[in-house]
Amino acid sequence: QKEVEQNSGPLSVPEGAIASLNCTYSDRGSQSFFWYRQYSGKSPELIMSIYSNGDKEDGRFTAQLNKASQYVSLLIRDSQPSDSATYLCAVSGPNDYKLSFGAGTTVTVRA
Amino acid sequence: GAVVSQHPSRVICKSGTSVKIECRSLDFQATTMFWYRQFPKKSLMLMATSNEGSKATYEQGVEKDKFLINHASLTLSTLTVTSAHPEDSSFYICSADSGANVLTFGAGSRLTVL
Repeated sequence: QKEVEQNSGPLSVPEGAIASLNCTYSDRGSQSFFWYRQYSGKSPELIMSIYSNGDKEDGRFTAQLNKASQYVSLLIRDSQPSDSATYLCAVSGPNDYKLSFGAGTTVTVRA
Repeated sequence: GAVVSQHPSRVICKSGTSVKIECRSLDFQATTMFWYRQFPKKSLMLMATSNEGSKATYEQGVEKDKFLINHASLTLSTLTVTSAHPEDSSFYICSADSGANVLTFGAGSRLTVL
């Protein structure tokens, strides 16, 4: 499986602040990149997908992709207590849907 | 939106017994489904790719005879943990491609082997 590394947590941020999550991947052939949110004891839910270099914004979430650096990040603006969860970075290759996941970064938003 | 139903959500069994977990795509057809395993505070590890009408493709290190996968229809894949042992206790999650290269996950099945 492709190696996916995420910055170790846990990450604690005050409510209203920006949470910044980082992810690097080993396979240069990776084409699709995803951020999933997973609450404790639940399955992952997709919050962002990104396929080309640059930024992609969706509400309070912004994903950034730099294929040359093999780096993808997620910013959560105006963090809310409900954003407290583990965030998983996942990548897949050009012709398959097999996702390789990072170990996840646990975010805690302090009220 | 696309929904993947996974059942049971929790199961407790005795060591040596077999447990079957079902994964159903409710409102779409899925020729390919994926089975993951997740240990506490660890990430998801892909176990196998389930292909409708053909044999599953297992990831390196996953025992085919222990984790039996059957994908008999376009909406159902099953994972059977045979002769379960305490070390098989884990959170098992299935997923399916609901279109546009987006995977939808089931709610997961927590297996506890006593």
